[in-house]
Amino acid sequence: DAKTTQPPSMDCAEGRAANLPCNHSTISGNEYVYWYRQIHSQGPQYIIHGLKNNETNEMASLIITEDRKSSTLILPHATLRDTAVYYCIVFNDYKLSFGAGTTVTVRA
Amino acid sequence: DTAVSQTPKYLVTQMGNDKSIKCEQNLGHDTMYWYKQDSKKFLKIMFSYNNKELIINETVPNRFSPKSPDKAHLNLHINSLELGDSAVYFCASSLTQQMTYEQYFGPGTRLTVT
Repeated sequence: DAKTTQPPSMDCAEGRAANLPCNHSTISGNEYVYWYRQIHSQGPQYIIHGLKNNETNEMASLIITEDRKSSTLILPHATLRDTAVYYCIVFNDYKLSFGAGTTVTVRA
Repeated sequence: DTAVSQTPKYLVTQMGNDKSIKCEQNLGHDTMYWYKQDSKKFLKIMFSYNNKELIINETVPNRFSPKSPDKAHLNLHINSLELGDSAVYFCASSLTQQMTYEQYFGPGTRLTVT
């Protein structure tokens, strides 16, 4: 299984962009990178996913390096409601394998 | 409209009892999942059903038995509950089992075994 490595925590100022890094150096060519977040004890919420190209939706942008060994999730204008645990996951064998994620705290 | 719903939200029971958690999705998805989040906050997949057929069965004790009466429902029955079963259980669904489709999670069921 492709594993991911994320920093355990990071702070972000409200209104600024939050850049969340993720390493997935063992990713295979056909495996997707997914990002989810979990706010407090709610169910995980899908954010974005990609294979090779950079992706953008209403929540965030996903930048994947050309060698696909790492990616960055960008929250363009962080708000206090973005405080959550963010998970970077490589989809493998029809399942999502969640790691410890990055605890992001947005401060006013 | 709730996309993925679970009942009950909280469940407190004693060791040795048998209990069920129900999950329903109104998204028209083919694939449904059960995850367990323990006290250390790690989320682990337990089971996955695609079109009522079991496709993922992780190393879960056979006291746990999923049942899918139809595509919109995936229930989890737990026999002979143990203290270590205390956790939050999340149900999820996706359009298909393929990796191109995201999963939608329910609000969770917090199970406490005393």
